[in-house]
Amino acid sequence: DAGVIQSPRHEVTEMGQEVTLRCKPISGHDYLFWYRQTMMRGLELLIYFNNNVPIDDSGMPEDRFSAKMPNASFSTLKIQPSEPRDSAVYFCASRLSGTRGSTDTQYFGPGTRLTVL
Amino acid sequence: QKEVEQDPGPLSVPEGAIVSLNCTYSNSAFQYFMWYRQYSRKGPELLMYTYSSGNKEDGRFTAQVDKSSKYISLFIRDSQPSDSATYLCAMNKAAGNKLTFGGGTRVLVKP
Repeated sequence: DAGVIQSPRHEVTEMGQEVTLRCKPISGHDYLFWYRQTMMRGLELLIYFNNNVPIDDSGMPEDRFSAKMPNASFSTLKIQPSEPRDSAVYFCASRLSGTRGSTDTQYFGPGTRLTVL
Repeated sequence: QKEVEQDPGPLSVPEGAIVSLNCTYSNSAFQYFMWYRQYSRKGPELLMYTYSSGNKEDGRFTAQVDKSSKYISLFIRDSQPSDSATYLCAMNKAAGNKLTFGGGTRVLVKP
């Protein structure tokens, strides 16, 4: 069974350009999370969806960031315009609700390493 | 001040030693506590999951939670070079949903 799939794995772009990161959650999972990881700030939750609906976007740093989930198997995180301080590893994770304990787990993708020059 | 504090390390130990990791937190509302392991250039993966105070053991791994002190620990017995990774603690107020992560501790187990 495939895990969470993210693309691209690496992205290098110039300041001011639009960047789109993509995520395919594990089939059947109803929660999807976008995180950003940097050395300075660690792993930060940006936004999460439940059944394709955004639930909490309080972690989105500013209006340059937007996220969509048009269907249960696809989500995008867009940065427009990008800035050098956006350089980080962006992770997508998914989870299946309705269970407790160790099965209440977020499964992370391999991440997209973004460099904005 | 961050809600969850974790020493970044690196923590270097010889193979076979016990690795001791910990996190402190400030929000008493946290009820569920997790440890994730992250290998270099990979996503985090769940290692241990505990609810409220107490101990939980899984093979070579033991997680402890002391809610009165707002302190959680992870112990790795008989450490192996394959345990070399960054270990992140995480916690939330209710099952599922929004996790708050510590900054991670980098561990290096030397053969």
